[in-house]
Amino acid sequence: AQTVTQSQPEMSVQEAETVTLSCTYDTSESDYYLFWYKQPPSRQMILVIRQEAYKQQNATENRFSVNFQKAAKSFSLKISDSQLGDAAMYFCAYKGTGTASKLTFGTGTRLQVTL
Amino acid sequence: NAGVTQTPKFRVLKTGQSMTLLCAQDMNHEYMYWYRQDPGMGLRLIHYSVGEGTTAKGEVPDGYNVSRLKKQNFLLGLESAAPSQTSVYFCASRFPGDFYEQYFGPGTRLTVT
Repeated sequence: AQTVTQSQPEMSVQEAETVTLSCTYDTSESDYYLFWYKQPPSRQMILVIRQEAYKQQNATENRFSVNFQKAAKSFSLKISDSQLGDAAMYFCAYKGTGTASKLTFGTGTRLQVTL
Repeated sequence: NAGVTQTPKFRVLKTGQSMTLLCAQDMNHEYMYWYRQDPGMGLRLIHYSVGEGTTAKGEVPDGYNVSRLKKQNFLLGLESAAPSQTSVYFCASRFPGDFYEQYFGPGTRLTVT
């Protein structure tokens, strides 16, 4: 079974600075997808960024980028120019391939953004 | 286009009571999922469905039943609620195919006393 580990329960960053959230995973599959979800106090799960394992190029979405290291099974999220609205829980998630392949979530990292 | 909606948003039950959580989506998604979120544990899959009339167990199915009588609705039932089922419940849906992302509902906070 796949497992996803987020070893940082809480992180803090100053506004306009850069922060990196860590995620590692364990799988025996060669093809899969990795995701970062944001959960603000509203509880809504919002997809931040997605990475396909077969793509060597790291995904980027505006201020959000990932460092995907397939051999090391590592998938970190970098948030640049942090904003107060970035404060939230961030979940790393893994999805294999195949029918109804399901998301496996990490335990989350709570990000605080300070002035 | 409402996306994924969940009813109710909050509920308090006494131990032994039953209830049904409703998930509805208007995106014509084939696949639907029910998760629970507990502090420090992330989201865990309870049951899922790959189409109307089909359901399957996820990681933590005990104490729950589900039904998918209509494509747009996915119901989660608790026949005899227990305090261990106090949690936030999320529904999600998506199209078939590995590329497609899951869309989540706003969640239901359930407290069992």
